[in-house]
Amino acid sequence: NAGVTQTPKFQVLKTGQSMTLQCAQDMNHNSMYWYRQDPGMGLRLIYYSASEGTTDKGEVPNGYNVSRLNKREFSLRLESAAPSQTSVYFCASSASGVTLNEQFFGPGTRLTVL
Amino acid sequence: SQQGEEDPQALSIQEGENATMNCSYKTSINNLQWYRQNSGRGLVHLILIRSNEREKHSGRLRVTLDTSKKSSSLLITASRAADTASYFCATLRSSNTGKLIFGQGTTLQVKP
Repeated sequence: NAGVTQTPKFQVLKTGQSMTLQCAQDMNHNSMYWYRQDPGMGLRLIYYSASEGTTDKGEVPNGYNVSRLNKREFSLRLESAAPSQTSVYFCASSASGVTLNEQFFGPGTRLTVL
Repeated sequence: SQQGEEDPQALSIQEGENATMNCSYKTSINNLQWYRQNSGRGLVHLILIRSNEREKHSGRLRVTLDTSKKSSSLLITASRAADTASYFCATLRSSNTGKLIFGQGTTLQVKP
């Protein structure tokens, strides 16, 4: 039982390049999330998927797109990377439900945009 | 905007001492959760307290919630060097569809 996995672990991009961050969970969770973490900013929600087939914007969605490929997988795409997108990106999942929502996190992807 | 504000931002104590971290939030909540993050790792869920609860224990962790003051505290008793990490509070708003809002975190250093 791997929990939440993310690939790649590290990535360096040049401004304007595109890339997709992959996330998969094997806990049969309905909800999945993408966050970015910057020094002194805590975690900020980029996009989330409450259930398979649905996605919605979070706090900082500009410059990103997501795809909920199936129940297990939720990808984050940067179409044209900018230095402001240098960050650590975390994927998380939860069983869903408004009343609980304990989240399980992946190990993160450290992205640098030059 | 951030829902949770944590205090202090950094805390350094000796092994065996207790560590207290505080979290304040702005809107009414369904529950409040605490997470730990070791350096270079993802977050790990520690404890969840519902809005109708005032205190909760889990091992060496004690969490209190005061909804009238919109604040929570996390107490780690008899701290160990392995407790060195960043600790984040996260709130699930009453009107929310399941999105957690995280605070900026408290960095705890426990010196052996």
